[in-house]
Amino acid sequence: KAGVTQTPRYLIKTRGQQVTLSCSPISGHRSVSWYQQTPGQGLQFLFEYFSETQRNKGNFPGRFSGRQFSNSRSEMNVSTLELGDSALYLCASSLNRERTDTQYFGPGTRLTVL
Amino acid sequence: KQEVTQIPAALSVPEGENLVLNCSFTDSAIYNLQWFRQDPGKGLTSLLLIQSSQREQTSGRLNASLDKSSGRSTLYIAASQPGDSATYLCAVGGYGGSQGNLIFGKGTKLSVKP
Repeated sequence: KAGVTQTPRYLIKTRGQQVTLSCSPISGHRSVSWYQQTPGQGLQFLFEYFSETQRNKGNFPGRFSGRQFSNSRSEMNVSTLELGDSALYLCASSLNRERTDTQYFGPGTRLTVL
Repeated sequence: KQEVTQIPAALSVPEGENLVLNCSFTDSAIYNLQWFRQDPGKGLTSLLLIQSSQREQTSGRLNASLDKSSGRSTLYIAASQPGDSATYLCAVGGYGGSQGNLIFGKGTKLSVKP
């Protein structure tokens, strides 16, 4: 079974631009979560989607948004990019939203904002 | 607010040594605790998931324990190998009622010398 895939793997943008990142979960998984990883802050939760609905959101500004499609694929969007948005963006999928479920992570998208 | 701490931040050991990585959390209201491994520039690989009702989980040379009352978890690695070199992250799940919201520690960077 294929793992979690994320596209693109690397991205370079300039301040003020916007970017869209894509995540395809493991087949059959319905829950997708997004995380930002930076050297200073570590891994921080962005948001979680289940059955096309945002279930939970971390403490990030409104410039960060996401959505989930009927096939469980998810996208996140960052508008008006800032230098501090440079990070590794990871998505994770799990089968459902049960507390017994393991989260499986993709390889990440490395975003660099110049 | 849940905080997860991992000590030490870095660890260097000779090949063959048994070692223990520590993880502590401030709020015992968790659904589960998960240990991950991250290789440089890569995503996260799930190692072990311990449910809140469990005390430990084992997989091969890895053993993870959980003591909710004291807010601690340990990851024991037996007979370490150079291929074990990576950053190890622990994360508590389900805080705030959401399975998808993992709160991570900053990690322990392990180096196993041949």
